[in-house]
Amino acid sequence: DAGVIQSPRHEVTEMGQEVTLRCKPISGHNSLFWYRQTMMRGLELLIYFNNNVPIDDSGMPEDRFSAKMPNASFSTLKIQPSEPRDSAVYFCASRPTSGYEQYFGPGTRLTVT
Amino acid sequence: DAKTTQPPSMDCAEGRAANLPCNHSTISGNEYVYWYRQIHSQGPQYIIHGLKNNETNEMASLIITEDRKSSTLILPHATLRDTAVYYCIVRVASSASKIIFGSGTRLSIRP
Repeated sequence: DAGVIQSPRHEVTEMGQEVTLRCKPISGHNSLFWYRQTMMRGLELLIYFNNNVPIDDSGMPEDRFSAKMPNASFSTLKIQPSEPRDSAVYFCASRPTSGYEQYFGPGTRLTVT
Repeated sequence: DAKTTQPPSMDCAEGRAANLPCNHSTISGNEYVYWYRQIHSQGPQYIIHGLKNNETNEMASLIITEDRKSSTLILPHATLRDTAVYYCIVRVASSASKIIFGSGTRLSIRP
């Protein structure tokens, strides 16, 4: 099993540019989570999906952030336009149908200059 | 979900048992205790969870007090690779339930 796959692993972009982060959950998992981690705020839940449907997006910081899950094997987190304060490590996690533990990907380190 | 309290940091000698405490005095009857850890630059990793009975797996043991107000994660023979931030989380075991990570305990294993 390849685990949760995230791409890119590192992204450096300039303020104002659009950024798209990608996640492939573990096959057979029906829940997917996006987190953001910074030194100041720790690990924060941004949004989570159950069976491809967004269940709770209360953690999404503002309208510049959007997330989609068009099918069970792919999700994107988009930031448009990006700002320096969006610099963080973004993690994707998935959870199996029959369990409650989450499996995290390696993360995408985003730097906005 | 109930709030948890953990010491910000601990250290342990390599080869010894590492005992990480967690206080969750407001835990409800249907809330489980979960432990995750995050090794530097990696995503968090699930370790173990339990409701009221003690649990053991290949990674660790979880001891929950009888009143369920506190628990201890035990790494029986700590190695340098166990250096990480350990998160104790309590939550309802439901597909609609989400994990809220606190600040955790930074465990350092000394050679």
